Formats: sequence, C-alpha cells, structure tokens
Amino acid sequence: GQQVMQIPQYQHVQEGEDFTTYCNSSTTLSNIQWYKQRPGGHPVFLIQLVKSGEVKKQKRLTFQFGEAKKNSSLHITATQTTDVGTYFCAGPETLNTNAGKSTFGDGTTLTVKP
Amino acid sequence: KAGVTQTPRYLIKTRGQQVTLSCSPISGHRSVSWYQQTPGQGLQFLFEYFSETQRNKGNFPGRFSGRQFSNSRSEMNVSTLELGDSALYLCASSRNMGRGNEKLFFGSGTQLSVL
Repeated sequence: GQQVMQIPQYQHVQEGEDFTTYCNSSTTLSNIQWYKQRPGGHPVFLIQLVKSGEVKKQKRLTFQFGEAKKNSSLHITATQTTDVGTYFCAGPETLNTNAGKSTFGDGTTLTVKP
Repeated sequence: KAGVTQTPRYLIKTRGQQVTLSCSPISGHRSVSWYQQTPGQGLQFLFEYFSETQRNKGNFPGRFSGRQFSNSRSEMNVSTLELGDSALYLCASSRNMGRGNEKLFFGSGTQLSVL
C-alpha cells in the first residue's frame, strides 16, 4: 500500500532558526495536506496543495508540492516558540482517488528553545 | 459553530473489556473518520463513515467497528481490549465524503488506557 514518510522525525532548533520538514510518498499524490498538532492537542488543518510545483505561503510558513507530486516540504522561517508541535503531511493515492482516506506521515516534531 | 466533539475525553479499561467512543461532527458535516494515534505509529486510519455507511476501512482487526447515525454522529467500538489498544482515538469530520482532498476537522480525541 501507499506509504507517506516524513523526515526528520524530530527537530530541535533555537528560536529564530529556520526549520524544514520533508514529506515523501511512495506513489503519486493528487493533492497533499499539512496539519499541525500542538502538544496535548489535536491535528489542525494548515493547507492543501494540488498543483504540481505549487508553492503557498502563510506568513512565515512556506509549503511546496513537488513537480512529480510525490513529495512536499514545509519550511518555517525564523521559528518562534508558538511553532512548537508536530507537523503532519497527508495525502491520498492518485490511483485510489475513490478511497476517501488520507494517509498521514508519521510527523515531524519541532521543539524550539527560547 | 461548535467543533467536533468527542466523548469521553479519558477512559481506563482492563484487558478483555469493550469500549464505545462517541463523536459528534461539525453541524452540516456528513463524513466522519476515525484515527488511532500512538507515539510510535503516528496517525493510523481506522474507517470512514458517510451517510450511515462505512465507505473505507483501514488495516485493523475486526475487533474495531463503528457506525454512523442519521444525524451524522458516529460511534466506534473496540471489543476484547488488548494492551496495545492504548492510544489516542481521534475523530475527524468533513463536509463531504473524503477523496483525500477534504479538509479534516479533528476532535480533541479520547485517550484510552488499557490496563
């Protein structure tokens, strides 16, 4: 079945440093979503990318969807303590678009040292 | 607009018992999905319900079952609990049946501990 992998699993940064997490799928994705889960909280939708090569920005967060639609990245510029949490990517298989399920990566847990 | 509501928030059970978890989706949302979250396994898809019918199922044993009612509320049942079932169970709702492109709204989850 489809696998969605994220690296790194953990990332510790000093406040003000940049952070990037990468998401790689074993199959082509029709779209990819990103979610953030704060410690003790639940996943919250951040964004969805659909087009090959798409880039979207949300303030200090930049999301990219690869040209082959098999990988994606989330980059945070000048991290703040409010960025702490686990970032998940999720996507369906292109070949299984009727499945209706999102396969989540294992997430990247970001900690920020003030 | 109220968010996704899951009850109970915490649950402690012993091996062999069964448990029922409840999820009320956002008003107007017709799809409910269930996920199991553990520290080592991430978010694992259990099943999705839409219009009272199970539309998709993950790779979990038959001990895990669910249902959806006409008001879109959903319940998940786990029978013959095992220690490995200890996890955070998250429910997510979306307006329509997901094809992986629906924005998911998650509840706060039910933390199940099996002793």
